[in-house]
Amino acid sequence: AQKITQTQPGMFVQEKEAVTLDCTYDTSDPSYGLFWYKQPSSGEMIFLIYQGSYDQQNATEGRYSLNFQKARKSANLVISASQLGDSAMYFCAMREGVNYGQNFVFGPGTRLSVLP
Amino acid sequence: GAVVSQHPSRVICKSGTSVKIECRSLDFQATTMFWYRQFPKQSLMLMATSNEGSKATYEQGVEKDKFLINHASLTLSTLTVTSAHPEDSSFYICSAGTGANQPQHFGDGTRLSIL
Repeated sequence: AQKITQTQPGMFVQEKEAVTLDCTYDTSDPSYGLFWYKQPSSGEMIFLIYQGSYDQQNATEGRYSLNFQKARKSANLVISASQLGDSAMYFCAMREGVNYGQNFVFGPGTRLSVLP
Repeated sequence: GAVVSQHPSRVICKSGTSVKIECRSLDFQATTMFWYRQFPKQSLMLMATSNEGSKATYEQGVEKDKFLINHASLTLSTLTVTSAHPEDSSFYICSAGTGANQPQHFGDGTRLSIL
C-alpha cells in the first residue's frame, strides 16, 4: 500500500492566486514527520515546510502553510499568492519515527504550473 | 543551514565505464546518508542507506554489486555505478539529515547518461 498519496498529477493556478496541493499519508507510528519539497526543472530538492505529528498548530513558512488534519491523515500544502517561479514538481514526504537516520518515503509528486 | 554537496552534477560516458558520485556534508557530520534514483517525471526511489563505518543497506531490487556504496567518513559517501549500461542512465541524488525533526538535506543531484 502507498504510504504517501498525491492525487493531483498536475495543477494549474493563475499568478497571484492561492493553490492547495493534496497529500494523504498512511502510518501506524504515532511519531512521524511530514515534509514538503519543491523540485524545479534543474533537479535540486528544496525543503519548504515541516509538520510534526505532535504539533498542535499548522506549520507556516512565508507563503507556504500546511493544512494538517491528523484524523484524516492529510497534510495539504497551501501556497498563497502564487508566483511564476513556483512552477515545479512538489513532493510530500513522511518520516516514520523520531530517528533522523530513518529514510523518507516520497509521494508521486504534483506538477504545478503557474500561469501569467 | 546544513549543506550537502554532490559531485559531479553531470556525467556522460560510454557503456562499460564505472562512474563514482560523491556526496559530502559540508557543515555537519552525517552518520547516515541516503541515495535515491529518479526517472523522468517520477518520484524519488530510495536505493540504499549509507552507514558510516559499516555496510550500506540496500532496498529490495537494487543490485549491491552494481551500485557500490562507501561511507568511509562522517562527511563523505560515494556511490559507484559499476560497468554502467544505458539502462543505468538516470538522475541520482543523495541526502543526509541533521536531527529528529529536521528535513533531509539534498545534494543537487547527478544526471548520468550512458551512451
